[in-house]
Formats: sequence, C-alpha cells, structure tokens
Amino acid sequence: SQQGEEDPQALSIQEGENATMNCSYKTSINNLQWYRQNSGRGLVHLILIRSNEREKHSGRLRVTLDTSKKSSSLLITASRAADTASYFCATVYNAGNNRKLIWGLGTSLAVNP
Amino acid sequence: DGGITQSPKYLFRKEGQNVTLSCEQNLNHDAMYWYRQDPGQGLRLIYYSQIVNDFQKGDIAEGYSVSREKKESFPLTVTSAQKNPTAFYLCASSPLGGAGNQPQHFGDGTRLSIL
Repeated sequence: SQQGEEDPQALSIQEGENATMNCSYKTSINNLQWYRQNSGRGLVHLILIRSNEREKHSGRLRVTLDTSKKSSSLLITASRAADTASYFCATVYNAGNNRKLIWGLGTSLAVNP
Repeated sequence: DGGITQSPKYLFRKEGQNVTLSCEQNLNHDAMYWYRQDPGQGLRLIYYSQIVNDFQKGDIAEGYSVSREKKESFPLTVTSAQKNPTAFYLCASSPLGGAGNQPQHFGDGTRLSIL
C-alpha cells in the first residue's frame, strides 16, 4: 500500500534547539495528521491539517502543508528532553468505499539535555 | 478519564497456540482499529470496524481474526496460522467520520513474543 515517507529517519539535537521533520506523500489528500510515539507506548495525536490549510500551530508545534509538492513539515521549537520520541505522519488512502490511514516510517527524535 | 485500555501489556505465544489481545474503549467511539508495528516500520492495519457486528480486513489480515460484539470492545485473536506474530500490537479508536477525518486515539499496546 502507499506510504508517506518521513525524513530524516533519525534526528539528534540539543535541548533548546528547533527540530524539523518532513513528510512526503504520494496521493492527493483531504488532510494529513502528525502523531508522536514515546518508546514502548501508543501514539498520541498532535495535529490534523486539512488540504486547504497551509499552516497550523499548537503550542511549540508548527505544521506546514504544501499540496503542490505533496509534503508537510513538523517544527518543534525550543525542544525539551521530553520531546524525545518518534514522530509519524499519516495520510488517508481511499480503498474502494472505505478509507484507511497510511502511516510513514517515522522520524526518531532525540533531544539531549 | 476516557481512554483505550489494552491488555495484557506483554504476551507470550507457544507454537500452535491462538492468543487473544484485549482492547476496550470508553470514549464512545464508533470506529476501532488494530495495527501491527514492527521495528523500524510504520503501522500496518490488520482489521478495522466502523460499527458493531461489522469489520473489514486491513492490509495484513491473514492469520488474525476479530469480533465486534460491543461498541466498546474489539478483541484481536492471533491464530496459529500467523507464522511471524512477534510484534507490537496497537489498538485505536476514533469517532465515525471516515479514517483520516478524525484523530485516532491509541492504547499503550501489547507486545507479543513467541516462546
């Protein structure tokens, strides 16, 4: 099935720095979602951005969407050690009469104190 | 507090054995999902259900079975036909509105290993 692709696969930064992760996808979308997963835990929804939106903010998170390039980015500003996690993008795939979320492989972020 | 509860947290399967993973939600969500996560890979959809007594196969349904007899419960059985069951299994739910139109809420997963 089709998948989004995040890059980089892994990112290591110092506390206080900004972290940027990118997601590319293959099909036209209605919206795109970003999730965070702490090690050994379930995923937590961060932001949903619709195809007619170009930018969305939530606290220290900023998500952009460029539908012409089929890409999205997640920016975490002033990172903290607690931001250490894997980050996934997910897009909708139309499968007949049903829709499914298709997940990228994730970016593993390490924020060093 | 509302949420999704998966149990057990760790599960070991003997060869030829069926095992059942529990998923319960009290969010009053119509849709529920089972995903499999392998190291270094994204989530892959096993089964999903949008309404009680109805469910559809995802991308990797072979060797798995589900039931949806109650809105709040969506158990997953890993059968002996699944030859490579070792993985992290995640259950999720969302309000009905079509996948992708609503955020999904996840449990904390069950890690299944072969003895």
